[in-house]
Amino acid sequence: GNSVTQMEGPVTLSEEAFLTINCTYTATGYPSLFWYVQYPGEGLQLLLKATKADDKGSNKGFEATYRKETTSFHLEKGSVQVSDSAVYFCALSDRGTGFQKLVFGTGTRLLVSP
Amino acid sequence: NAGVTQTPKFQVLKTGQSMTLQCAQDMNHEYMSWYRQDPGMGLRLIHYSVGAGITDQGEVPNGYNVSRSTTEDFPLRLLSAAPSQTSVYFCASSYSGGAGETQYFGPGTRLLVL
Repeated sequence: GNSVTQMEGPVTLSEEAFLTINCTYTATGYPSLFWYVQYPGEGLQLLLKATKADDKGSNKGFEATYRKETTSFHLEKGSVQVSDSAVYFCALSDRGTGFQKLVFGTGTRLLVSP
Repeated sequence: NAGVTQTPKFQVLKTGQSMTLQCAQDMNHEYMSWYRQDPGMGLRLIHYSVGAGITDQGEVPNGYNVSRSTTEDFPLRLLSAAPSQTSVYFCASSYSGGAGETQYFGPGTRLLVL
């Protein structure tokens, strides 16, 4: 079945440091890939997505590239801010008919200190 | 636009009690779903709906009922609460069920079953 594996947290960084959160997936078809972010006390919101191989999703300085050859969708940001402290979820949605269910990774907590 | 709203924000139940978690969206989305979030497990799909009058089971449906009488509302019913249902519950909606479609999440309901 479909699954998503992401690195364990928490990831602790100082402000302006470079961020990488690893995500790999297993899917039977050609999934769409997502990063959702959950700020403290809030629901999840879409950060970025990519729907086909070699696509790059980007938003708010975050980027992730859909790598079919390595089945990966790693999240990167060049310079993190304290306001980026949150839990980040990698997810996939496989193609097919009907409702496309999201399959989530376990989440990675990011803590950024001043 | 309020987006996706959920009530209550927090609830404590005793084992065996029943309750309904409310979810509403004002975006005219056809697709709605319920997830539960547990530590170390990411989000798991409970039930989903592809339109008024149409619902189906997700990954972890046992102990939960849903119905969809209107496009806007998608309540989740716990028939006889158990401690294993202690979790944070998120409702989500999307315009379509396509693989690349963004899902919009509510703020969540935190449920504690004693």
